[in-house]
Amino acid sequence: GDSVTQMEGPVTLSEEAFLTINCTYTATGYPSLFWYVQYPGEGLQLLLKATKADDKGSNKGFEATYRKETTSFHLEKGSVQVSDSAVYFCALRHTGNQFYFGTGTSLTVIP
Amino acid sequence: EPEVTQTPSHQVTQMGQEVILRCVPISNHLYFYWYRQILGQKVEFLVSFYNNEISEKSEIFDDQFSVERPDGSNFTLKIRSTKLEDSAMYFCASSEATGGQETQYFGPGTRLLVL
Repeated sequence: GDSVTQMEGPVTLSEEAFLTINCTYTATGYPSLFWYVQYPGEGLQLLLKATKADDKGSNKGFEATYRKETTSFHLEKGSVQVSDSAVYFCALRHTGNQFYFGTGTSLTVIP
Repeated sequence: EPEVTQTPSHQVTQMGQEVILRCVPISNHLYFYWYRQILGQKVEFLVSFYNNEISEKSEIFDDQFSVERPDGSNFTLKIRSTKLEDSAMYFCASSEATGGQETQYFGPGTRLLVL
């Protein structure tokens, strides 16, 4: 069945460091892929999405490219800030209503 | 910006008790969902709801669970007789429409602890 595997955390980076959080998926066909972020005390917020192969989603300096050949959707940011500290969830959605999420990766950025 | 809200933020209950988790979806959304995340595990889909009916449910959503839209704004998840393994964070979500590209908007979650 459909599933998502993402890099385990926690991840701790210094401000302005480069961020990569790996995400791979298993699905038949062409799912849509999402990154959600959860800041402390808040709900899951959509960060970016891509709906077909080779699409690049981007928002707030974060990017992820839908790679069909490697079944991946890695999240990257060139220079992280303290305010990026949060839990990041990779997810896929196929033809049904439900999302399939990864376990979440906790990111802490230190000044 | 409109948001999904959930109450309570935390709930502690005794095993065997009934709990009701409440959600207020975004007002013009028509599709509603519940997910849960057991500590250290993945966020798992429980159920989706549209037009006063369950449209899809997972294997987790057994007879002890039920959902209801009791009025025009609330969407509730009831667990009839809680078990220890029901301890988890429960997320409500809503969307305007459905389909593979549609974004679901999530609430902050209710942390349920069953003792």
